[in-house]
Amino acid sequence: SAVISQKPSRDICQRGTSLTIQCQVDSQVTMMFWYRQQPGQSLTLIATANQGSEATYESGFVIDKFPISRPNLTFSTLTVSNMSPEDSSIYLCSVTVANEKLFFGSGTQLSVL
Amino acid sequence: QKEVEQDPGPLSVPEGAIVSLNCTYSNSAFQYFMWYRQYSRKGPELLMYTYSSGNKEDGRFTAQVDKSSKYISLFIRDSQPSDSATYLCAMRNIQGAQKLVFGQGTRLTINP
Repeated sequence: SAVISQKPSRDICQRGTSLTIQCQVDSQVTMMFWYRQQPGQSLTLIATANQGSEATYESGFVIDKFPISRPNLTFSTLTVSNMSPEDSSIYLCSVTVANEKLFFGSGTQLSVL
Repeated sequence: QKEVEQDPGPLSVPEGAIVSLNCTYSNSAFQYFMWYRQYSRKGPELLMYTYSSGNKEDGRFTAQVDKSSKYISLFIRDSQPSDSATYLCAMRNIQGAQKLVFGQGTRLTINP
C-alpha cells in the first residue's frame, strides 16, 4: 500500500476565492489522481497528474477551474479556482500500486459559502 | 442507467448480525472488483480486491462476484459497531487501474 497525506483536511471558503490542496505520498509514484466526492454521490475522477507533463482531465473538468501541479514523483497539488457553493465536496488524492490497486488519501472536505 | 448501481441505504443492523451489501453493473468489460470502506471525514480504504467469479474471504469479510449476473456482494460476519461506515463498490476493466467506476455507497450502522 501507500501512505498518502493531504492538506488541509477541511476548509470553509468564500465564493470567488481559490483553494490549493496538497498531496504527499511516502514513495515515488508515476501517476497521481484527483477525485471528487460530492455529497451523497459516488467518486468521480477529475484528472490524472503525471510528473513532467500536463495533467489529463476527464470530461466535465477543465484546467482553468482545477489547475494541477506535479513537480516531482511524490507530490501534487490541486487548486479549486473561483469557487462557488457547487464546489463543496470532498477532494481526494489517490495513487495506484503495481498498476492494480487504488489507494486514497484522507481527503479534503471543502465547504464554499 | 448508471454503470454501477448500489443501494445507498441507510442500512441499520444489530451487532453480531450478518450484513450483505450488493452492487449490480451493466458493463460486461468490468473484470476487477473492489470494496472500499469509508469512515466519516476519511478517505476510502481498500477492503477487498477480486478479479474472478466466486468468493474471496478475509477475516470476517467475504467478497462474492457473479460475472454472469453482473452482481457483486460483500458479506460481513459477526458485525461490530466499528464496522459502521459507508461501503463503496468499485470496478474497472483490464486497463487503467485508476479509472474505477464507483457505486454510490451504502451507509451502514451496526447498533450495539
